Amino acid sequence: AQTVTQSQPEMSVQEAETVTLSCTYDTSESDYYLFWYKQPPSRQMILVIRQEAYKQQNATENRFSVNFQKAAKSFSLKISDSQLGDAAMYFCAYRSARGGADGLTFGKGTHLIIQP
Amino acid sequence: DGGITQSPKYLFRKEGQNVTLSCEQNLNHDAMYWYRQDPGQGLRLIYYSQIVNDFQKGDIAEGYSVSREKKESFPLTVTSAQKNPTAFYLCASGDRSSGNTIYFGEGSWLTVV
Repeated sequence: AQTVTQSQPEMSVQEAETVTLSCTYDTSESDYYLFWYKQPPSRQMILVIRQEAYKQQNATENRFSVNFQKAAKSFSLKISDSQLGDAAMYFCAYRSARGGADGLTFGKGTHLIIQP
Repeated sequence: DGGITQSPKYLFRKEGQNVTLSCEQNLNHDAMYWYRQDPGQGLRLIYYSQIVNDFQKGDIAEGYSVSREKKESFPLTVTSAQKNPTAFYLCASGDRSSGNTIYFGEGSWLTVV
């Protein structure tokens, strides 16, 4: 079974600065997907960024980028130029690429605080 | 607009009652999911369905039931056998057509009174 670990329950960053959220995972599979989701106080889960394991290039979406280290099974999220609207819970998630759509495995989340 | 609609947003259940949470999607996804989130926790999978008239238990299926009679709909029933049902429930969908990305509805709060 796959597991996802987020070792930082809470992180704090000054507005406009850069912050990195950590995520590690454990799997015996070679083909899979990794995701970061944002959950603001409204509780809706919003997709931030997606990475396909067979792609070596790190995914980027505007101010959000990842550092994907497949051998180390590490998938960190970097948020540049932090904004007040980035304050939220951030969840790292894993999904197998094999057939049989059995969903996502989530970490326990990191609470990101943005200091004005 | 395309998306996933959950209702109701807030629901109160008396002890011993069954309640049903609705989930409808118009994204044409084959696969649909129900997750439970407790305060300060990540999401845990209750049930999932890969195709109409088929569904599988997730990690915490006890006390819950589902049906998948239509592609667009995947209702979740919280039965009286679920001893601690107070939680936030999220419905989701996603399959190969979405690049294996899973998208979520806005969620439903269930409270036992």
